[in-house]
Amino acid sequence: NAGVMQNPRHLVRRRGQEARLRCSPMKGHSHVYWYRQLPEEGLKFMVYLQKENIIDESGMPKERFSAEFPKEGPSILRIQQVVRGDSAAYFCASSPTTSDTQYFGPGTRLTVL
Amino acid sequence: GQQVMQIPQYQHVQEGEDFTTYCNSSTTLSNIQWYKQRPGGHPVFLIQLVKSGEVKKQKRLTFQFGEAKKNSSLHITATQTTDVGTYFCAGEVAGANSKLTFGKGITLSVRP
Repeated sequence: NAGVMQNPRHLVRRRGQEARLRCSPMKGHSHVYWYRQLPEEGLKFMVYLQKENIIDESGMPKERFSAEFPKEGPSILRIQQVVRGDSAAYFCASSPTTSDTQYFGPGTRLTVL
Repeated sequence: GQQVMQIPQYQHVQEGEDFTTYCNSSTTLSNIQWYKQRPGGHPVFLIQLVKSGEVKKQKRLTFQFGEAKKNSSLHITATQTTDVGTYFCAGEVAGANSKLTFGKGITLSVRP
């Protein structure tokens, strides 16, 4: 049973470009969470999705950031018009149900030049 | 909003010494989880505590949930170099849609 997969593992973008981060949850998991980690900081919750639905996006910046988890395919975190401050590690986690252990993917390390 | 605090952020110990760290929440939690992240890696789930006063052990690691369910501790007996990493606690508030609030973590270094 493959773990949570994220790609790409490393992503470099110039200011103003778009970044698309993908997350495939563990098999049988329908709950996906996205977190952002700045250097030497903890994990900041961004958004919680269940298939085709956004359950909680209270941690998402109001502009430029969006997330989806379609019926088929991976969850996508999209950052439009990236700025230097978006440089961080973005982790995705999945769980089979609410209030279950969250299993983290390896993360995507985004660098904005 | 809810805050989960872990102080200090760094601790250095000599191999073989014991190590204890604490996690404090500004609100009562339905459960608390601990994760470990190695340098350059991703958080890996260690344990979940649900009941007031609960104590769980994993080999040399002992986890405790406070009676008021607002704090937790992690104790490592006789640290080894393999214990190096950042330990995060994460609290879940009842009814919060399973949203975990993570502390900033404590980075443990072990001198051989």
